[in-house]
Amino acid sequence: QVHLVESGGGVVQPGGSLKLSCVPSGFTVTDYGVHWVRQAPGKGLEWVTFIRNSGESAPYPDSVSGRFIVARDISRNTIYLRMNSLRPEDSAVYYCVKEGNYYMDVWGKGTTVTVSS
Amino acid sequence: QTVVTQEESFSVSPGGTVTLTCGLTSGSVSTNHYPSWYQQTPGQTPRTLIHSTYVLSSGVPDRFSGSILGNKAALTITGAQAIDESHYYCVLYMSSGIWVFGGGTKVTVL
Repeated sequence: QVHLVESGGGVVQPGGSLKLSCVPSGFTVTDYGVHWVRQAPGKGLEWVTFIRNSGESAPYPDSVSGRFIVARDISRNTIYLRMNSLRPEDSAVYYCVKEGNYYMDVWGKGTTVTVSS
Repeated sequence: QTVVTQEESFSVSPGGTVTLTCGLTSGSVSTNHYPSWYQQTPGQTPRTLIHSTYVLSSGVPDRFSGSILGNKAALTITGAQAIDESHYYCVLYMSSGIWVFGGGTKVTVL
């Protein structure tokens, strides 16, 4: 059965950095890609990034380009989201999601990031 | 940047039919955008309903269906039930290689 578990969320000051982790079970990161999707409090879903099973990442949306980087550790079967220069508007629940064929298939339960002084 | 549009809200009677749409501020939605739909009730994780325009995800009841209507993707609920009261999000895959979510539609069943 496929599951994804996110961790690493917390409270960080504006301008700070945070690294989120996503550990899948039931598949390996060399078999399937993983998306990151976020949801600010009371707001809709926003796609953040995607790392393919090859390790190549998709282009980043303007809202996070130049600040967020997705990476993976094959030996740990783990996907990371490194978030730099954090802003209050980055506060959200961050979900990692197993890829389907050009869609988001299986969702993790999310980890909460709060950017506040 | 292109914006994906969805209706803010819809109300449907129990047993009724409602069609939600997913469009673009510039251009038409086609199967090449691989439209997919997600359901989310407050406090819950999103659930994948439909992908690749009309393919139902595993376990999704067949009262949900997807299509292209005119220049938009569409999600139709036929025979709405109280448990269908949720937010519904579409997402499109863009030629630039990114995915973009719509703002979501709140469906009320009453």
